[in-house]
Amino acid sequence: GENVEQHPSTLSVQEGDSAVIKCTYSDSASNYFPWYKQELGKRPQLIIDIRSNVGEKKDQRIAVTLNKTAKHFSLHITETQPEDSAVYFCAADLSGNTPLVFGKGTRLSVIA
Amino acid sequence: SQTIHQWPATLVQPVGSPLSLECTVEGTSNPNLYWYRQAAGRGLQLLFYSVGIGQISSEVPQNLSASRPQDRQFILSSKKLLLSDSGFYLCAWSVLTGDFRLNTEAFFGQGTRLTVV
Repeated sequence: GENVEQHPSTLSVQEGDSAVIKCTYSDSASNYFPWYKQELGKRPQLIIDIRSNVGEKKDQRIAVTLNKTAKHFSLHITETQPEDSAVYFCAADLSGNTPLVFGKGTRLSVIA
Repeated sequence: SQTIHQWPATLVQPVGSPLSLECTVEGTSNPNLYWYRQAAGRGLQLLFYSVGIGQISSEVPQNLSASRPQDRQFILSSKKLLLSDSGFYLCAWSVLTGDFRLNTEAFFGQGTRLTVV
């Protein structure tokens, strides 16, 4: 089955700096790669996603890049703000009838 | 619009007692349904998923079971809880899109924080 590795497990950045979280996946047939943000005590919520036919997607301060050849994808957050502090999960999905496989999460702390 | 209900929000149960967590989805039909568990400070571990009524796939062998008696209802159960069953349980749903039946965003319920004492 699919396996998703996520790094780093914790990340601290100064407010205004950029943050990058990286994930690798094992199954080259995976075609959907969402990123979720989970604030303390709350449910994970989608912040951005990308499909395998696209190399990069951007939404304001958040961007995701995908390298299908290397089987890795990354989340980029620019101009970080204290409210970006949360746990971020990457995930990969093989097909409609298989479940999302999540990475172990990255705890991002933005220091004011 | 679609909504997902998961209850209870918190639960404290003694070791050896049974468990039943319920999740229902409104506003969509034939969703894929999932149960995830999150131990304190840890990642999201997939427990069960279902692509249709009565169809349950188990990812992790343990003393938990799941059932889908109706299209939009997913139940997580245990006959005898263990201390290691403590955690944050999340139900989620997604639907397929397009001719190629691709998966889309998974929406999570509010979660149930289970403490086994």
